[in-house]
Amino acid sequence: DAGITQSPRHKVTETGTPVTLRCHQTENHRYMYWYRQDPGHGLRLIHYSYGVKDTDKGEVSDGYSVSRSKTEDFLLTLESATSSQTSVYFCAISATNQPQHFGDGTRLSIL
Amino acid sequence: AQSVTQLDSQVPVFEEAPVELRCNYSSSVSVYLFWYVQYPNQGLQLLLKYLSGSTLVKGINGFEAEFNKSQTSFHLRKPSVHISDTAEYFCAVSPSVVQGGSEKLVFGKGTKLTVNP
Repeated sequence: DAGITQSPRHKVTETGTPVTLRCHQTENHRYMYWYRQDPGHGLRLIHYSYGVKDTDKGEVSDGYSVSRSKTEDFLLTLESATSSQTSVYFCAISATNQPQHFGDGTRLSIL
Repeated sequence: AQSVTQLDSQVPVFEEAPVELRCNYSSSVSVYLFWYVQYPNQGLQLLLKYLSGSTLVKGINGFEAEFNKSQTSFHLRKPSVHISDTAEYFCAVSPSVVQGGSEKLVFGKGTKLTVNP
């Protein structure tokens, strides 16, 4: 959708291991976002980027870090995964003052 | 800061019946409003948006929504639903361009619409 690719689509890992999720866009949009979706909570913003090397925290940023070294790629890293980070993760992109468009999500299970 | 309340977590309806999904928002500044739809195991798809102008907004798949500033509402409606409309629907709000940016998009917790035959 809208030129957004998330990888991997599914991942199972163990508590304490590092995990990196990738979002790749082909739209050359300025803004990129990482959300998590949990039952009863809707979508909550983790981090977002407003340009290469420019990022900021969202509502639920603790335990997560991000990097954006190229316009097209936005990485989300869990340095030491915990079971509370089991969730579905969505990447979104937007041009300035335009609606966000979402990828298909990554289902992450931490055992 | 903005907040969004979707008043119904689940709405069951019969096929070909009308439906209204309710959304109220809170904001101290002017806003943009959005409805997204999420089909099972998929990402969110933009259904419609209100940025300015006419308060009645038409979207894809026959849905429409009306912005009511005095009641701070943005309810989603469809006059006749189909089985294929079964999905989860999310209302979202962000400050308008004068105040901030789309990066401050806040979502409601979603309404699961189930259309029964």
